[in-house]
Amino acid sequence: QQQVKQSPQSLIVQKGGISIINCAYENTAFDYFPWYQQFPGKGPALLIAIRPDVSEKKEGRFTISFNKSAKQFSLHIMDSQPGDSATYFCCTGRRALTFGSGTRLQVQP
Amino acid sequence: DTEVTQTPKHLVMGMTNKKSLKCEQHMGHRAMYWYKQKAKKPPELMFVYSYEKLSINESVPSRFSPECPNSSLLNLHLHALQPEDSALYLCASSQDSLGSYEQYFGPGTRLTVT
Repeated sequence: QQQVKQSPQSLIVQKGGISIINCAYENTAFDYFPWYQQFPGKGPALLIAIRPDVSEKKEGRFTISFNKSAKQFSLHIMDSQPGDSATYFCCTGRRALTFGSGTRLQVQP
Repeated sequence: DTEVTQTPKHLVMGMTNKKSLKCEQHMGHRAMYWYKQKAKKPPELMFVYSYEKLSINESVPSRFSPECPNSSLLNLHLHALQPEDSALYLCASSQDSLGSYEQYFGPGTRLTVT
């Protein structure tokens, strides 16, 4: 079953702009909501994660916003850079990660 | 050392071959995972080992056989694969499996079945 729905499928942003990726989840029994970043030819790497009792978490240019009542969370990338061009996955799960469908971000110079 | 290594990087095998994928980590993690990732798709969980015991098998066909010889090593034995099994096979590890969202992934083995 699909536990998390992610959008958009792809995103093109100009350098310096804000990238926003959205996810909606179904099951409320998750302890963390992580985001993974994957560059071509590499395995995914943990970018940032949030607990469901927190509404926002910021690490550098990356911010997760969490809306528990709407069962939605989003990733904001401020001042997007060409080096941020990658595929981003939101995840849920308890004993194992379930990945969202992925968003391919392209930041144009 | 926060690295997960996987060998080989690339593998081409026929449908009648037997081959193995290898994964190694030296972070002292006690949970290890195999994922399958098709092009432009998210990773899909195949197996989870926790403290060297198989704890999750996501209904994977028996032509895929995992093995965890010790806490640092994870193998995936392949036999009689189908062309649709061609994919990137990712290994990951985490401190333990219960509630662990922080997984460290290797670069993967790109498998082509001819």
